[in-house]
Amino acid sequence: AQSVTQLGSHVSVSEGALVLLRCNYSSSVPPYLFWYVQYPNQGLQLLLKYTTGATLVKGINGFEAEFKKSETSFHLTKPSAHMSDAAEYFCAVSRGGATNKLIFGTGTLLAVQP
Amino acid sequence: DTGVSQDPRHKITKRGQNVTFRCDPISEHNRLYWYRQTLGQGPEFLTYFQNEAQLEKSRLLSDRFSAERPKGSFSTLEIQRTEQGDSAMYLCASSLSSRPTSSGEQFFGPGTRLTVL
Repeated sequence: AQSVTQLGSHVSVSEGALVLLRCNYSSSVPPYLFWYVQYPNQGLQLLLKYTTGATLVKGINGFEAEFKKSETSFHLTKPSAHMSDAAEYFCAVSRGGATNKLIFGTGTLLAVQP
Repeated sequence: DTGVSQDPRHKITKRGQNVTFRCDPISEHNRLYWYRQTLGQGPEFLTYFQNEAQLEKSRLLSDRFSAERPKGSFSTLEIQRTEQGDSAMYLCASSLSSRPTSSGEQFFGPGTRLTVL
């Protein structure tokens, strides 16, 4: 079975500071990993994904994540937070294949202080 | 291409009533997914269609829930005899996957927020 753990349901950073959102996964097969962002009353938007190949993945809005198999982690980072980054972030895992359903973590609400 | 759309965006109903939600995927996307998101939680998978065939259903999908995707285009999710525990955001997503092992990106709609009184 696959699962995702997001450490920290709420993270607060100052504008311009480093953003680090943590995600650990459990999977019995090579996983596909995703980060989605959700703004209030909206659906989810894909930030980035890891399938195969390079373990450092760059996404939209300056975000990136590194797949570390030995640590079963896929943490999301951004060097400098912007006020517009305030949102909820979800890490997700899938095994690809016939269904490719996503298993989500419980989310991390990012607050950016001026 | 206007993305995934869902209708209605909000639905308030009384316990025991039936409700139906509609999802229009991105045109030519062959896969369609329904997820449910409750407050403070991540989305949970409900069911999945490959074209018009419903290929997987979660144990979360009780007998009161039914989903269809006639002709492999739009999809409907019906909840019969609603209960207060059904209150949630219902999200639809679609993807284009040409190979069984594809990791086709899922594009999400804005969701339908259901409140059962």
